[in-house]
Amino acid sequence: GEDVEQSLFLSVREGDSSVINCTYTDSSSTYLYWYKQEPGAGLQLLTYIFSNMDMKQDQRLTVLLNKKDKHLSLRIADTQTGDSAIYFCAESNEGSQGNLIFGKGTKLSVKP
Amino acid sequence: DGGITQSPKYLFRKEGQNVTLSCEQNLNHDAMYWYRQDPGQGLRLIYYSQIVNDFQKGDIAEGYSVSREKKESFPLTVTSAQKNPTAFYLCASSNSDRGRVRNQPQHFGDGTRLSIL
Repeated sequence: GEDVEQSLFLSVREGDSSVINCTYTDSSSTYLYWYKQEPGAGLQLLTYIFSNMDMKQDQRLTVLLNKKDKHLSLRIADTQTGDSAIYFCAESNEGSQGNLIFGKGTKLSVKP
Repeated sequence: DGGITQSPKYLFRKEGQNVTLSCEQNLNHDAMYWYRQDPGQGLRLIYYSQIVNDFQKGDIAEGYSVSREKKESFPLTVTSAQKNPTAFYLCASSNSDRGRVRNQPQHFGDGTRLSIL
């Protein structure tokens, strides 16, 4: 079945770049999403990319998509302590009727 | 402001009791979703509704029920048949593009944390 995998933890120093990686198995994925979840809160949509794109940049966020390897990454430039959160990768495809398949989330810790 | 409101933020359930979690959206979105989140886990889909008066089971629907009588409201009932209801419940909604909800980003509420007394 469809699956989305992420590493569970990432620790960086304030001011460094963070790179959060995600792999997925469904070759028919059409949209791939990154969400951010702060403690005790819901999910905030950060950005998303269509599968015919390789890259999307939005201020400090850069999304890279390698469709051949089914690999998605989120780079956060100049990481701040306020970026500490859990980051979820999710994908949808033509057959999923709008439903998203989520990874288990990567917990980003930013040390001062 | 437009958004999704979940209430209550915290809820406690006694043995054998049904409880209902509220989800209201004023985004004029067609589709609404309920997810369950357990510690260290991703989100698992309980139920979803793409249009008023219609809803579909997700991956873990057993022990839950929903209704969609109004476009803006999608309440979730956790029944006594759900033996392990302690979790964080998230509601989401998404727009449609000419009647299709596929590939529309989902927007989330702030969640309800349900615990057992």
